[in-house]
Amino acid sequence: DIQLTQSPSTLSASVGDRVTITCRASQSIRSWLAWYQQKPGKAPKLLIYKASSLESGVPSRFSGSGSGTEFTLTISSLQPDDFATYYCQQYNSYRSFGQGTRVEIK
Amino acid sequence: EVQLVESGGGLVQPGGSLRLSCAASGFTFSRHWMSWVRQAPGKGLEWVAYIRHGGSQADYVDSVKGRFTISRDDARNSLYLQMNSLTVEDTAVYYCARDVIGGTDGGQMDHWGQGTLVTVSS
Repeated sequence: DIQLTQSPSTLSASVGDRVTITCRASQSIRSWLAWYQQKPGKAPKLLIYKASSLESGVPSRFSGSGSGTEFTLTISSLQPDDFATYYCQQYNSYRSFGQGTRVEIK
Repeated sequence: EVQLVESGGGLVQPGGSLRLSCAASGFTFSRHWMSWVRQAPGKGLEWVAYIRHGGSQADYVDSVKGRFTISRDDARNSLYLQMNSLTVEDTAVYYCARDVIGGTDGGQMDHWGQGTLVTVSS
């Protein structure tokens, strides 16, 4: 089974900050990685797929990069609506999620 | 507009069974793989199972193998999850999610339902 490890688990940031979240896979998953945003009581929302492709309708301040075993999600300028929990998900072999990164107000 | 609406959640005793349903609309359901994902209270997301287009193959996370069965009825645009031998560890919100179009590369889940809560407790 492929394990995904996100870091940090919690991130404190201010509006306007550049934020980076890392996702590491236990083995190569090529570029088969997605990123999701989830707010309390809501379903996850797809942000990025195939490591770096922006889902339609998602603001361009979100970007993804990486391949193989190391990936990053970057928010170029954090907005009030971006305080949420973020998950990576691999689909190279079955499906699995990282444990999540909570982005909170500093 | 793509819509996924789950139903069937509720309170069940340990060892009991429950069948979840997901009604899909707004897209060609038969072309897509479909997944179930769950989230225990205060915890992260866990993929549970997927079923390929045409229902030809399904796969499961190890913790539910032999207890859960995913199925689909393309004529009714519906996805199901039969859950047997439930334990307290199965307590979670269960989401259905639209997965990849069959025959293409991918596996991101681009549309999700609102979720249905399953509580396993005596």
